[in-house]
Amino acid sequence: DTAVSQTPKYLVTQMGNDKSIKCEQNLGHDTMYWYKQDSKKFLKIMFSYNNKELIINETVPNRFSPKSPDKAHLNLHINSLELGDSAVYFCASSQGQGTYEQYFGPGTRLTVT
Amino acid sequence: AQKVTQAQTEISVVEKEDVTLDCVYETRDTTYYLFWYKQPPSGELVFLIRRNSFDEQNEISGRYSWNFQKSTSSFNFTITASQVVDSAVYFCALSEAYAGNMLTFGGGTRLMVKP
Repeated sequence: DTAVSQTPKYLVTQMGNDKSIKCEQNLGHDTMYWYKQDSKKFLKIMFSYNNKELIINETVPNRFSPKSPDKAHLNLHINSLELGDSAVYFCASSQGQGTYEQYFGPGTRLTVT
Repeated sequence: AQKVTQAQTEISVVEKEDVTLDCVYETRDTTYYLFWYKQPPSGELVFLIRRNSFDEQNEISGRYSWNFQKSTSSFNFTITASQVVDSAVYFCALSEAYAGNMLTFGGGTRLMVKP
């Protein structure tokens, strides 16, 4: 069984569109995250979601919004997509906050044309 | 200021050589955690190790070993007798309580092991 899964794996879309990436974890973890990996492989945290508390990285544009229907899911919605949003997006989860190891999903490669 | 620095962007070795990947961090927390992750060419991120700031004991796991030195703010990773399957990008990361315990990653070191 996949511990952290993401759909879709690849997403190609045009500028201005709105898209969502879904993430599910079956590890029973209570904290989930979204990371962005740019073309130079640099990984940066976007959000952390622990139970009902959302921690937003201040550098993330408000076009990005995480939504968590329950502890096992943390979806990422992106409005008005821009060329610079092209990247690989990783979902992760951990038992508790960042003092515990995080387990990552396979990533979603988003290409904005 | 970058909190996690991996000065080696790319390292190339021949199979069976030993290789050390450097990681230097900076933090004002007294309690923090350090991690190493591996990203093979297939793209997934694989957890390798977690170390807390109060535990400076070195760790060995098979061909992998980690050297944590608070005095130099370093957490280096050594692969002994490297193999082609070790080829990947390796990331060092830091988690600080005052920063909401979110992971801050270094820029990564691409390791290429040639047969």
